[in-house]
Amino acid sequence: AQSVTQPDIHITVSEGASLELRCNYSYGATPYLFWYVQSPGQGLQLLLKYFSGDTLVQGIKGFEAEFKRSQSSFNLRKPSVHWSDAAEYFCAVGAVVSGGYNKLIFGAGTRLAVHP
Amino acid sequence: DTGVSQNPRHKITKRGQNVTFRCDPISEHNRLYWYRQTLGQGPEFLTYFQNEAQLEKSRLLSDRFSAERPKGSFSTLEIQRTEQGDSAMYLCASSARQATGELFFGEGSRLTVL
Repeated sequence: AQSVTQPDIHITVSEGASLELRCNYSYGATPYLFWYVQSPGQGLQLLLKYFSGDTLVQGIKGFEAEFKRSQSSFNLRKPSVHWSDAAEYFCAVGAVVSGGYNKLIFGAGTRLAVHP
Repeated sequence: DTGVSQNPRHKITKRGQNVTFRCDPISEHNRLYWYRQTLGQGPEFLTYFQNEAQLEKSRLLSDRFSAERPKGSFSTLEIQRTEQGDSAMYLCASSARQATGELFFGEGSRLTVL
């Protein structure tokens, strides 16, 4: 069965610093991978997704993620963090069925704090 | 553009009472999902519908939980005889017809069981 591990529960960075949030997945074939962000009182918002093709995926708000099959990882990166990026970030894998996926399985999340 | 709407946003109830949450998906979306999120955890899948058909239910969905989507539009999630362990955020999401469509989430319904 598919699963997702986010090893870091909390991360604190200074504004303007670079960011990398780790995500490891468990799945035998090529997965559908996602990063969502959840701000307080807000719904989950999709940052980016990987289905196939180029392993470096660009998303919204200046985020990118790289799929590394050999490491079963899909880490999220941002070169320069803004205070508004403080939120909880979730990595997810799609449970594959014929033609696509039918649900998402989420990791436990990483809470990002940004120091001024 | 109306997103996924959930009501009520917050429900406080006493143990043993029944509660019902409603989800209105994005209008052209045929898939609808319910997730539960507890503090410090990621969303956990509960169930999903394709049109009015409930295609999968998680083992997390005990006999006290029931979800419906009678006309393939809005959905309700009912919890009977609530327990303190049911306290959580209940999230609804919808996606379009294609099998790789993005899930759009509502803001959730927070349940507190006293």
